Amino acid sequence: GQNIDQPTEMTATEGAIVQINCTYQTSGFNGLFWYQQHAGEAPTFLSYNVLDGLEEKGRFSSFLSRSKGYSYLLLKELQMKDSASYLCAVKDSNYQLIWGAGTKLIIKP
Amino acid sequence: ETGVTQTPRHLVMGMTNKKSLKCEQHLGHNAMYWYKQSAKKPLELMFVYSLEERVENNSVPSRFSPECPNSSHLFLHLHTLQPEDSALYLCASSPSGGDGSYEQYFGPGTRLTVT
Repeated sequence: GQNIDQPTEMTATEGAIVQINCTYQTSGFNGLFWYQQHAGEAPTFLSYNVLDGLEEKGRFSSFLSRSKGYSYLLLKELQMKDSASYLCAVKDSNYQLIWGAGTKLIIKP
Repeated sequence: ETGVTQTPRHLVMGMTNKKSLKCEQHLGHNAMYWYKQSAKKPLELMFVYSLEERVENNSVPSRFSPECPNSSHLFLHLHTLQPEDSALYLCASSPSGGDGSYEQYFGPGTRLTVT
């Protein structure tokens, strides 16, 4: 079967750095997405990786290793507004998005 | 403002009721999606429409009936639901039906409670 694993919950301190991991086992691979979802709101797109390596976008970076079936989202200089759930999703060989259950990130002052 | 709107935002309905969820996208996209989001579970894809034709139906019970009258509007008709259908129902759109790197744009969702 197809599976996306990410930690259920993480806690970090304001101003610090946090890394949210995602491992996947899918039938084929056509890209990996990270979304942010604040409580009660719509998921919003953060990043897309299809080739190995690091994609940087401001305070957020996303890394992909296709051979390891692994990605992480790195958040720097954490702010209270970064408290949210972070969803990892992979497009399989049929271009269907397979979603993880999300990681709830709690930022403490 | 995400460009995808959903109404109503909250809905409480009995198991014998019939109701409809509405989604509208103002982004000129060609594909639209219905998802179910339950607490601590992955997003479940229910239906996909590309150019107004249904291309995906992930074994969703027949008590959920989608309708896509044009590329900007998507409905989810609900009837004789069960309490386990209580969830957040999210609508999304994307420029095309699935291939490529296009991300999906989500609406704020309808929080459905079945009593």
